[in-house]
Amino acid sequence: GDSVTQMEGPVTLSEEAFLTINCTYTATGYPSLFWYVQYPGEGLQLLLKATKADDKGSNKGFEATYRKETTSFHLEKGSVQVSDSAVYFCALKPGGGSNYKLTFGKGTLLTVNP
Amino acid sequence: DSGVTQTPKHLITATGQRVTLRCSPRSGDLSVYWYQQSLDQGLQFLIQYYNGEERAKGNILERFSAQQFPDLHSELNLSSLELGDSALYFCASSPSSGGARETQYFGPGTRLLVL
Repeated sequence: GDSVTQMEGPVTLSEEAFLTINCTYTATGYPSLFWYVQYPGEGLQLLLKATKADDKGSNKGFEATYRKETTSFHLEKGSVQVSDSAVYFCALKPGGGSNYKLTFGKGTLLTVNP
Repeated sequence: DSGVTQTPKHLITATGQRVTLRCSPRSGDLSVYWYQQSLDQGLQFLIQYYNGEERAKGNILERFSAQQFPDLHSELNLSSLELGDSALYFCASSPSSGGARETQYFGPGTRLLVL
């Protein structure tokens, strides 16, 4: 079945450091890929998405590129802020059929120190 | 604010009891999804409703059931509760039947604690 593997956390960085959170997936066909963020005590918010190979999703300085050849969707940000501290989830949705559920990775806790 | 609302925010109950969680989707969204987030299982899809009808089922226990009403709000019913049902329950909505490229928007969740 479909699955998403994220790098294990927690990740601790200093402000203005470069961030990479690795995400790889297993799926048949051409899934859509998503990054969601969960701030402390809140629900999930969509951060960015990509719906086909080589697409780049971007939002709030975060970027991720859909790489079909390596089945990856790594999240990057050039300069993190304290306010980026949160749990980040990589997710996929299958490309066809009637199965529309999101399959999530286990989440990566990011802590940014001033 | 995603536009998806969930009530209550917190719920504390005892084993063997039954609870109902409520979700109102974003205005105009026809699909509602329920997910469970627990420490050991992570985020798991439970069930999807589209315009009042069940559309897809995931890892939902037989003790759990859901429905979507004509005004499109949804309720998740959890019965014969066990300690292991303690989790954060999220509702999400999307505009139509949930195609591959369609975004799901999540509510703030209901935190259930079973004592």
